[in-house]
Amino acid sequence: QVQLKESGPGLVAPSQSLSITCTVSGFSLTSYGVSWVRQPPGKGLEWLGVIWGDGSTNYHSALISRLSISKDNSKSQVFLKLNSLQTDDTATYYCAKEDGYRYGYAMDYWGQGTSVTVSS
Amino acid sequence: DIQMTQSPASLSVSVGETVTITCRASENIYSNLAWYQQKQGKSPQLLVYAATNLADGVPSRFSGSGSGTQYSLKINSLQSEDFGSYYCQHFWGTPYTFGGGTKLEIK
Repeated sequence: QVQLKESGPGLVAPSQSLSITCTVSGFSLTSYGVSWVRQPPGKGLEWLGVIWGDGSTNYHSALISRLSISKDNSKSQVFLKLNSLQTDDTATYYCAKEDGYRYGYAMDYWGQGTSVTVSS
Repeated sequence: DIQMTQSPASLSVSVGETVTITCRASENIYSNLAWYQQKQGKSPQLLVYAATNLADGVPSRFSGSGSGTQYSLKINSLQSEDFGSYYCQHFWGTPYTFGGGTKLEIK
């Protein structure tokens, strides 16, 4: 069955970089895109970016200078890197599988999320 | 970037009632819209895609409608398991912006 699981550092100091790994199973990263979404405590969802099956990427315009998404198809892993962290980057970060074949790019499977706190 | 304005921000309703949540896009998104449900402490779950189509396993009391810039999610005969937060998201060009969310609470 399809599963996604995020793993992250939990706590990151301001101005440092955040790296999160999303390990997937049950589908091929060459066939489906994976998006990253975050949710600050008590707030709504924010789409960050997507890496498509062919390896191309799209990023949120507000984060394009700080955000990088990459993947290793052979390891079924997708990576998020966010630079120059500030306190308002504190959030739960989710990876999610998109399904352009069935659901018009809507995200049909989500990871459990990993909580990241930016604090010194 | 396309902005998604969702209303209301919160709603207090009783089991058995019918509710409608709306989402307005800042430009035509040609029905490239999804709705998600999120329960407290859980990941979002896909309810509706392409504005009007229910995802697999979603009960028929949920329905989506709309076109152009105006979209709605309707829940008939609310059940206890329907309480939580709801979000719309467009897919007409990146960034795939979410609406601000609607929190559905028990009256």
